[in-house]
Amino acid sequence: AQKVTQAQTEISVVEKEDVTLDCVYETRDTTYYLFWYKQPPSGELVFLIRRNSFDEQNEISGRYSWNFQKSTSSFNFTITASQVVDSAVYFCALETDSNYQLIWGAGTKLIIKP
Amino acid sequence: DSGVTQTPKHLITATGQRVTLRCSPRSGDLSVYWYQQSLDQGLQFLIQYYNGEERAKGNILERFSAQQFPDLHSELNLSSLELGDSALYFCASSVEGSYGYTFGSGTRLTVV
Repeated sequence: AQKVTQAQTEISVVEKEDVTLDCVYETRDTTYYLFWYKQPPSGELVFLIRRNSFDEQNEISGRYSWNFQKSTSSFNFTITASQVVDSAVYFCALETDSNYQLIWGAGTKLIIKP
Repeated sequence: DSGVTQTPKHLITATGQRVTLRCSPRSGDLSVYWYQQSLDQGLQFLIQYYNGEERAKGNILERFSAQQFPDLHSELNLSSLELGDSALYFCASSVEGSYGYTFGSGTRLTVV
């Protein structure tokens, strides 16, 4: 079975705090792709990152960083020095070579208070 | 602008009616995907078309159908609408599967 779990339904922090959003995935495929998307209040889905299963290097993009650990089947997302504009729902998603579709987590609603 | 165009942005219709949602993929993308986002089911894959042919099917109801035309735009037809069909319907396009997906801004369907 293929599944994505985002156990944190909602996280609320004060601006400038660091925050980590957890994502745990399940798949038996050896080749797969992990994604993070942001959905701001306006509703669109904004692509953040795509990572394939053979690349376990962590990635940093400005205040965003991602930690991919195959040993724990996790692909966590950290926002450093959070800002109010980071408030959104964040989705983790999985795609495998045997299943060309995105399997989504339930999303984590992130609230950044000024 | 993501390059994927979805129309209309909002749609309000009555139960039992039929609606058509339209999606124009990003230039050069051959694949079109439809996803439904509802409060109780979250984001779910409905169906994929690649260069005019149906390629994969997800949790799409029999009352729903889709097609991709020679110019690569796609339409999602929803019929015999029920209150539970109220959702945000997203279209995404890609060159080929896992190289990444570009999403449209969605069509918000409200069935009353």
